[in-house]
Amino acid sequence: AQSVTQPDIHITVSEGASLELRCNYSYGATPYLFWYVQSPGQGLQLLLKYFSGDTLVQGIKGFEAEFKRSQSSFNLRKPSVHWSDAAEYFCAVVLNNNDMRFGAGTRLTVKP
Amino acid sequence: SQTIHQWPATLVQPVGSPLSLECTVEGTSNPNLYWYRQAAGRGLQLLFYSVGIGQISSEVPQNLSASRPQDRQFILSSKKLLLSDSGFYLCAWSAGIYNEQFFGPGTRLTVL
Repeated sequence: AQSVTQPDIHITVSEGASLELRCNYSYGATPYLFWYVQSPGQGLQLLLKYFSGDTLVQGIKGFEAEFKRSQSSFNLRKPSVHWSDAAEYFCAVVLNNNDMRFGAGTRLTVKP
Repeated sequence: SQTIHQWPATLVQPVGSPLSLECTVEGTSNPNLYWYRQAAGRGLQLLFYSVGIGQISSEVPQNLSASRPQDRQFILSSKKLLLSDSGFYLCAWSAGIYNEQFFGPGTRLTVL
């Protein structure tokens, strides 16, 4: 079955530290992959997307993600986390039937 | 630029009462439209999507329904709310099935 897995429910990092949020997908065809961020009580904001081409994609707010087909992964990274990055992060994949599947989300806490 | 609106922002309704949530998109034509529900501490569940006026696809059977009376208007309804309908409802639009989705600010529904 097609699915998206975010293994980490909650991650805590110190401000200024690097960040990596994991995302694994299970999908037979070439995936269209996305990362979204959601602040409490808000809608989702698109951070970045991967459709094809360069497997390292740059997004907004200093985020990047790398598509690794061999590992079925699309991990999100940021070299230096800011307190304002504290939020919920969702990985998503679009299937071929107009269905965007989301992972369960990873909640990021940033320690001062 | 495109914008997406949802109202109301917050709603408290008794069990058995009707529901109508509205979503409108500005700045684009013939968008794909989506309704999601996000339960507390969980990911997003696709409820309905629409690729055109009057065209609604349901992903999850339940007591909710959706309608698209105009190109950029998407309505989520219920004749009788259940306690389990409580949650955060998000509307989204995209330019096509493989494009990123853009989300509205959401409606927090509490059924008592």
